[in-house]
Amino acid sequence: DVKVTQSSRYLVKRTGEKVFLECVQDMDHENMFWYRQDPGLGLRLIYFSYDVKMKEKGDIPEGYSVSREKKERFSLILESASTNQTSMYLCASRPSGSRSDTQYFGPGTRLTVL
Amino acid sequence: AQSVSQHNHHVILSEAASLELGCNYSYGGTVNLFWYVQYPGQHLQLLLKYFSGDPLVKGIKGFEAEFIKSKFSFNLRKPSVQWSDTAEYFCAVNALTNAGNMLTFGGGTRLMVKP
Repeated sequence: DVKVTQSSRYLVKRTGEKVFLECVQDMDHENMFWYRQDPGLGLRLIYFSYDVKMKEKGDIPEGYSVSREKKERFSLILESASTNQTSMYLCASRPSGSRSDTQYFGPGTRLTVL
Repeated sequence: AQSVSQHNHHVILSEAASLELGCNYSYGGTVNLFWYVQYPGQHLQLLLKYFSGDPLVKGIKGFEAEFIKSKFSFNLRKPSVQWSDTAEYFCAVNALTNAGNMLTFGGGTRLMVKP
């Protein structure tokens, strides 16, 4: 059974703080993704990675960076958190190969920036 | 760039009512289509997907969806909903772009089923 875990379910940070969101998957998937989920906007892709140390910008990368030092771990970094980054953050993974393959999602981290 | 529209943001139904959630996408090439569901407090999970073959796709829990290429649509249906179907539903399209295979989600439809 595929498992994607995220380090925190709830996080409260102050404006200007550096924030790390961690994601780990146990299925040896090559592809990993970070999304943010906002009401009425669905999921929007922030960054994705198709291999270790490889990363690509998604639709809304501004204000974020990522790190993928190991295959199973994909970190999202907010260098200087702002209130408009208050959101639900979802991590997902998917094997490489057919694009019909399913993405598997973690439980999400609800981040509040005060 | 591809986009996905879900026209119903909130739907309220009574148990045993029939359900149809609309999904339209804009992309001219070959697509794979998905419906994901997020039950309260749970992970986003796959409900069903279409990638080729029969355009009528059956998924878990009695859901089905029909791909109509001429209408760029992939509507989700269930003949008789249950209270346990209360959840948020997301339509998604996977298409090949310059950045590789990208999954684009619609804005979601929040379904509430009254017992």
